[in-house]
Amino acid sequence: GAGVSQTPSNKVTEKGKYVELRCDPISGHTALYWYRQSLGQGPEFLIYFQGTGAADDSGLPNDRFFAVRPEGSVSTLKIQRTERGDSAVYLCASSLDSTTSGANVLTFGAGSRLTVL
Amino acid sequence: AQSVSQHNHHVILSEAASLELGCNYSYGGTVNLFWYVQYPGQHLQLLLKYFSGDPLVKGIKGFEAEFIKSKFSFNLRKPSVQWSDTAEYFCAVRSGGYNKLIFGAGTRLAVHP
Repeated sequence: GAGVSQTPSNKVTEKGKYVELRCDPISGHTALYWYRQSLGQGPEFLIYFQGTGAADDSGLPNDRFFAVRPEGSVSTLKIQRTERGDSAVYLCASSLDSTTSGANVLTFGAGSRLTVL
Repeated sequence: AQSVSQHNHHVILSEAASLELGCNYSYGGTVNLFWYVQYPGQHLQLLLKYFSGDPLVKGIKGFEAEFIKSKFSFNLRKPSVQWSDTAEYFCAVRSGGYNKLIFGAGTRLAVHP
């Protein structure tokens, strides 16, 4: 597609529920990144994929968070047993590759706003 | 650990004033540097980037940034701001061996007509 697409744009859930957030990257982009942005903060790195594999998941806050990218395109961020502190905007970005070359410029989606009541 | 500091959290300017937003990072090796902008109600957009070469980088909408390696800085500048520059600005760094971007906390700029 023309840009990075994220669904849903807004999700309200109750504490303890399971949530899935979807990201559809720009066609041809092999690298995909998930970030979390809380109010008044900059984006916080969660995980990135190069192809189908998670190349760096060091930013996932705990084992309730998990992400997959089974076919190297669409990715799903999964949050189990949601807590009020998980409320944030979850951003997805993609880039042509994940090297340190000039091709590695992240394009961001509009984000999925998660509210846990 | 890598970190990025943006010293000004809120900046208020009148139109035509000059702008400089500070950004400092902690990593001493090879870095890629970025400024992203988020206009009200919109998603993050790339303003400019530095990978190598000329340390003075020009971006969109009249913005520029200067990489000063000795000061670990990548400050954003614009000689004359417009009301439409009202937005939040984020500095980000990618350092050697790490492919993820680390973002600063952002600077919220308000430009009054």
